[in-house]
Amino acid sequence: DTAVSQTPKYLVTQMGNDKSIKCEQNLGHDTMYWYKQDSKKFLKIMFSYNNKELIINETVPNRFSPKSPDKAHLNLHINSLELGDSAVYFCASSATAGSPNEQFFGPGTRLTVL
Amino acid sequence: AQKVTQAQTEISVVEKEDVTLDCVYETRDTTYYLFWYKQPPSGELVFLIRRNSFDEQNEISGRYSWNFQKSTSSFNFTITASQVVDSAVYFCALRGVSGGSNYKLTFGKGTLLTVNP
Repeated sequence: DTAVSQTPKYLVTQMGNDKSIKCEQNLGHDTMYWYKQDSKKFLKIMFSYNNKELIINETVPNRFSPKSPDKAHLNLHINSLELGDSAVYFCASSATAGSPNEQFFGPGTRLTVL
Repeated sequence: AQKVTQAQTEISVVEKEDVTLDCVYETRDTTYYLFWYKQPPSGELVFLIRRNSFDEQNEISGRYSWNFQKSTSSFNFTITASQVVDSAVYFCALRGVSGGSNYKLTFGKGTLLTVNP
């Protein structure tokens, strides 16, 4: 059973389009995250939700909007895609925001903007 | 602000050599957690270890060992008798406990380890 799953795995699209990436975890965790990994492999937090409440919102363009319909799902919608949005996006989850438990990562979604 | 530095961008070794990956961190928190993750060529991120700031005991797991030294703010990772399957990017990460943005993982830039046969 996949613990943290993301769809799609690959996403190729044109500049200016709007796209969504979906994430689901079946670990019963309360907290979910979105990270962006750029072409140099640098990983940076974008957002985090705890029990559907936004708790971390790093400096990310307004074109990125996370949505958490329930604590098992955290989706990422991106409007007006730009070339610089090309990256691998990882979803992760952890037991609770304040616990020291490790974060479990999804397989990543490779977004390519042409 | 939290910061993690992995000064070694790339390391190349021959199979069976021992290799140490360095990690130095900065934080103002007195309580924090340190992590290592592995990212093999397939791309997924695999958790390796978590260590809290009050536990300075070294840890060994098979061929892997970790040396945490609070005095030098370092959390180094050693692979003994390296194997080709150890080839990956290794990330050190830091997490605080004081709420809000401190719950995020702050990653180093990673060290690409290549183990040649």
